[in-house]
Amino acid sequence: AQSVSQHNHHVILSEAASLELGCNYSYGGTVNLFWYVQYPGQHLQLLLKYFSGDPLVKGIKGFEAEFIKSKFSFNLRKPSVQWSDTAEYFCAVKTRSGGSYIPTFGRGTSLIVHP
Amino acid sequence: EAQVTQNPRYLITVTGKKLTVTCSQNMNHEYMSWYRQDPGLGLRQIYYSMNVEVTDKGDVPEGYKVSRKEKRNFPLILESPSPNQTSLYFCASSQLLTASNTEAFFGQGTRLTVV
Repeated sequence: AQSVSQHNHHVILSEAASLELGCNYSYGGTVNLFWYVQYPGQHLQLLLKYFSGDPLVKGIKGFEAEFIKSKFSFNLRKPSVQWSDTAEYFCAVKTRSGGSYIPTFGRGTSLIVHP
Repeated sequence: EAQVTQNPRYLITVTGKKLTVTCSQNMNHEYMSWYRQDPGLGLRQIYYSMNVEVTDKGDVPEGYKVSRKEKRNFPLILESPSPNQTSLYFCASSQLLTASNTEAFFGQGTRLTVV
């Protein structure tokens, strides 16, 4: 079965620091990749997604992610974080099983940004 | 407006008293899923459904039941709740059969406390 690994469970940064959150998946076929964000007290919302084309994807609020097929990775990056980026971040993969596309989520990474 | 609606948002109950958390989506999505979110453990899948009358266990199904009698609804049933089921619960839905690159949509969450 496919799985999604997020290696950093907790990340603490100061404002203006650069961010990179790791995401690796285990599936050899075609994948569609997503990052979701969950702000404190809220539900998960889509941050960005990749399904084909340019492997460098730009999302909302200055976030971007790079799909590296050879490494089965889809790491999330932001050059300069803000206090308002404090949230939980989830990587997700949609893979094909039979005729269906099943979403699988990673465990999440908690990001705390100090002002 | 496309949305996933969960009710109730907050619930405090006593051990052993049966409860149901409702989930409804208005996007005609085939796939629906329940997750629980606990500190340090991230998002864990309880049950999922790929279509009407088709349900399957996720990672942590013990103590829960679900049903999918209609496409739009996917209630989560706790027949005999216990304190270890105190958690934040999210329902999600996603297109499955026709579009692999669409994201999952999440409900606002239900915070359940079992005393």
